Amino acid sequence: EADIYQTPRYLVIGTGKKITLECSQTMGHDKMYWYQQDPGMELHLIHYSYGVNSTEKGDLSSESTVSRIRTEHFPLTLESARPSHTSQYLCASSDLLDQGNTEAFFGQGTRLTVV
Amino acid sequence: TQLLEQSPQFLSIQEGENLTVYCNSSSVFSSLQWYRQEPGEGPVLLVTVVTGGEVKKLKRLTFQFGDARKDSSLHITAAQPGDTGLYLCATLFSSGSARQLTFGSGTQLTVLP
Repeated sequence: EADIYQTPRYLVIGTGKKITLECSQTMGHDKMYWYQQDPGMELHLIHYSYGVNSTEKGDLSSESTVSRIRTEHFPLTLESARPSHTSQYLCASSDLLDQGNTEAFFGQGTRLTVV
Repeated sequence: TQLLEQSPQFLSIQEGENLTVYCNSSSVFSSLQWYRQEPGEGPVLLVTVVTGGEVKKLKRLTFQFGDARKDSSLHITAAQPGDTGLYLCATLFSSGSARQLTFGSGTQLTVLP
């Protein structure tokens, strides 16, 4: 069982509110990721980090921001939530990024609804 | 343009039937992975294939990596309702100086009892 945790599991929030989605892993992985996924659809990478104080934007443009102050913690923040941000957000971590040794471990996700 | 194209996008079958889903690309990959995502959960790795022509079996699931390492297939024998989920292929993709784990569009499988 993967040791990566996301909170909250479900969040319903009003437009304009600031929210932070939490993600923590206890595997000591350097690499962490945030994906956005609509139900039953593909995963879109929105942010990734290869270590402390390293963050990059993914392929899908997102108004969210991330920080990586500690290895185990990779929170995602939306300064002003909008209905278009309604989606599932999945956090993942991995150790090596190498041929044959690239397993990504995912949290259970946060299902966000902005009303 | 999607790096990894999966087909079919949706598949609904009866328990006991066999099925094959596909992951295709115009690019050559050093390795390819298959994940399964059950409703309300994150994806979980099923297998990694690294050699062209490689075949790996996981109980009733058979994974094959194409000879040219551009495509892969997942065959399920005698599907069961517990096989229901979203099947995703993934590979390492270099974007600039960084390498990212990139996922395909997914196949949503429903196995009816």
